[in-house]
Amino acid sequence: GQNIDQPTEMTATEGAIVQINCTYQTSGFNGLFWYQQHAGEAPTFLSYNVLDGLEEKGRFSSFLSRSKGYSYLLLKELQMKDSASYLCAGEGSSNTGKLIFGQGTTLQVKP
Amino acid sequence: DGGITQSPKYLFRKEGQNVTLSCEQNLNHDAMYWYRQDPGQGLRLIYYSQIVNDFQKGDIAEGYSVSREKKESFPLTVTSAQKNPTAFYLCASTDSSHLRDTQYFGPGTRLTVL
Repeated sequence: GQNIDQPTEMTATEGAIVQINCTYQTSGFNGLFWYQQHAGEAPTFLSYNVLDGLEEKGRFSSFLSRSKGYSYLLLKELQMKDSASYLCAGEGSSNTGKLIFGQGTTLQVKP
Repeated sequence: DGGITQSPKYLFRKEGQNVTLSCEQNLNHDAMYWYRQDPGQGLRLIYYSQIVNDFQKGDIAEGYSVSREKKESFPLTVTSAQKNPTAFYLCASTDSSHLRDTQYFGPGTRLTVL
């Protein structure tokens, strides 16, 4: 089966660094996405990892370890506008494009 | 501008009524998806379509129906058989069904059953 787990809520301070973890169990696994979703809006794509290691994009980085079934999203130099939900999503090996989403981590950035 | 549009943004329905949510994309994407999101939860897949005139059930298809008569359009009907239809509905599309292609989301329709 497929299962994606991530913390429900996190709080961090403006200017700090925060790491949002995601663990998964899938029967066959192709890659892992991270999306950002502000309240009442559609998710927007942040990153995609298929190989082990760290992918860096400006203030945001994403890491994947396939052997450990583990990923994290790292946000640096936090800004107030980073307050949002962060969704981890993965796909099994069916190659249908279907994604399995975690419940999302709501990040609150405080001054 | 290319993108995905959903209409309406807010929709109210009386119990026992069917309602159809629109999803249109001009990205020339092959695959389209419908998700449901409940407060504090992740997205759950309702239906998806990889090519025109073909679609498959997702994880929570009961009480919903779809059609894919045109590449650009993938409407979702919420039927009276859906026991708890109040939710945020998101449509997405991707260039192909290959995982490496990112799914792009429409702005969503918030459905409330009165």
